[in-house]
Amino acid sequence: RKEVEQDPGPFNVPEGATVAFNCTYSNSASQSFFWYRQDCRKEPKLLMSVYSSGNEDGRFTAQLNRASQYISLLIRDSKLSDSATYLCVVNGDTGGFKTIFGAGTRLFVKA
Amino acid sequence: ETGVTQTPRHLVMGMTNKKSLKCEQHLGHNAMYWYKQSAKKPLELMFVYSLEERVENNSVPSRFSPECPNSSHLFLHLHTLQPEDSALYLCASSQEGRRGDEQYFGPGTRLTVT
Repeated sequence: RKEVEQDPGPFNVPEGATVAFNCTYSNSASQSFFWYRQDCRKEPKLLMSVYSSGNEDGRFTAQLNRASQYISLLIRDSKLSDSATYLCVVNGDTGGFKTIFGAGTRLFVKA
Repeated sequence: ETGVTQTPRHLVMGMTNKKSLKCEQHLGHNAMYWYKQSAKKPLELMFVYSLEERVENNSVPSRFSPECPNSSHLFLHLHTLQPEDSALYLCASSQEGRRGDEQYFGPGTRLTVT
């Protein structure tokens, strides 16, 4: 089993749609969790941290379920500019010394 | 000044060459990282430096040699690379590595080994 697993997609959605991504992780001692986005041939950029209580930033909502060992990202009212690859990131029990990236989920938002 | 910078942005080298990649962070962070991103593969953590001390090697081949002279600068020295080492090499920094906090990436160096 991979340490961090994501559905590779691609997800093709129309503008204005709501789309959700899930990510599962294998190490129950993992400490911190993030979502990054990566545009084609660019570096990953931090989208948001994922907290146990869940957190929201505008159209984006992240949730953590420690019992089931998964995190999720919900994007509401999709924009064309949301088209990118979304990376799930999990830090192990040694924090940033063991950072594991998922392979990413590709999203295409179409007019 | 941009948060994390990397030079060069593109590099083509032969298998017998020696070259170095440079990373500089202007965020006042204490931890720096090297990652490798190959086509259609997830980012792989290669090296971590926290407070200028290398923390984890991740079994990277010895033809890759990191150097961190201070908390703002990180180098990756390359020698006798193989074609499969062609990839995007990304540098990142974070406030404090052990806490597993947010990492901020540079634009990367796209390396081609011929």
